Formats: sequence, structure tokens, C-alpha cells
Amino acid sequence: KNEVEQSPQNLTAQEGEFITINCSYSVGISALHWLQQHPGGGIVSLFMLSSGKKKHGRLIATINIQEKHSSLHITASHPRDSAVYICAVHFKAAGNKLTFGGGTRVLVKP
Amino acid sequence: DVKVTQSSRYLVKRTGEKVFLECVQDMDHENMFWYRQDPGLGLRLIYFSYDVKMKEKGDIPEGYSVSREKKERFSLILESASTNQTSMYLCASSLGTAGPEAFFGQGTRLTVV
Repeated sequence: KNEVEQSPQNLTAQEGEFITINCSYSVGISALHWLQQHPGGGIVSLFMLSSGKKKHGRLIATINIQEKHSSLHITASHPRDSAVYICAVHFKAAGNKLTFGGGTRVLVKP
Repeated sequence: DVKVTQSSRYLVKRTGEKVFLECVQDMDHENMFWYRQDPGLGLRLIYFSYDVKMKEKGDIPEGYSVSREKKERFSLILESASTNQTSMYLCASSLGTAGPEAFFGQGTRLTVV
């Protein structure tokens, strides 16, 4: 079965702290997305990964294909990082459809 | 700058009304998707389309239909809106042949009263 699990569901951090969000999936994938959703609903794609590691500003995304696991790290977190972070994958058997994790609600306090 | 535009950010409709949610993309993408997002259930695929006039059911198509008469526009139709269709609706598009990268609209929060 094609499943995507995220942890934790909720995370509260103090400004400046290092944050890690995890995503595990069940079977082989062609790509994995990390998405950010701010209050109000719009979703922005942060990264698309099929291997290795990507960095953009204070955000780092890694993926381990053998372990079927990805992490999103936020360094020097800031209150504007408060959002829901969603992992989504393209399972190889599912073509262009995305399967989504349940999301991680991040709150960064000043 | 790539864009997926949904026609409304907020919508309030009455039970039994026919509701149209519109999504337009300006990237010449083949694939377009409609999802709904509910607390505790995450994002679930309603319908998708991989070409003009082509459509396929997603995981929760009941109570919905779709229309894709032009490549850039994908419409989600609630034939007779019900209160259990109150939700956040998200449209996405992707270029099928060049990789699975997807772009999302801003979402439409629909309330059925």
C-alpha cells in the first residue's frame, strides 16, 4: 500500500532553534516534495528531491532512498517559519499522482 | 513566474446549489489535479486530468465531477452541494513529460450552509 507518514504532527520551537521534520514512505518513489502551507491555505513547493540533499537559505532537505526516509531541517528558526510542512511523494506505481503525508504544524515562538 | 490561479479564495454556498470551482494554469502543463484538505485527513485527490477532455477519478470522486475543455483550465463541479463538502480545495498542475514537479494554487475555502 502506498503510504506516507510524517512526524511529529505538531512542533513548537523557540526562535533560533534547529528544527527537524521527518517523512517515511512505504514503497519505491520517483520523487519527493516538501511543501509549505501558511495560514490561509496556499501551498508553496520548497523542494523536490529524488536523491541526496538540497539547500535553500535556512532550509535543508535530505533523502535516503534505501531507508525510504526524508528529513526537512530549518536552521536558526524564525516566527515567519510557522506553517504546516507537508511531505508528498510520487510512488513509482502511481504515475503523476502525489500521495501526501498528514503534515507537521510548526510554531516558532519569538 | 509560474502560476496556478483558483477563481475564489473564499466561497459560501447553500445546500443543493451547483458549485463551480475554477483553476487556470499558465504553464502549458498536461496534468491538472483537484484535492480537498480536511483536518486530520490531509490532502486527498478528487479527480485529475492528463489531457484536454481526459479525466480520471482520484481517491474520493463521489459527489464531484470535472471538466477540462481547454488545456489551461480545469473545473471542479459540485452537482448538488452538501455540508460534508465544506472543505479547503486545492488545484495543482504538473508537466507530465518533464518530471513530476507540481505547482499549487492558493486554495478555495468552501463553506456549504
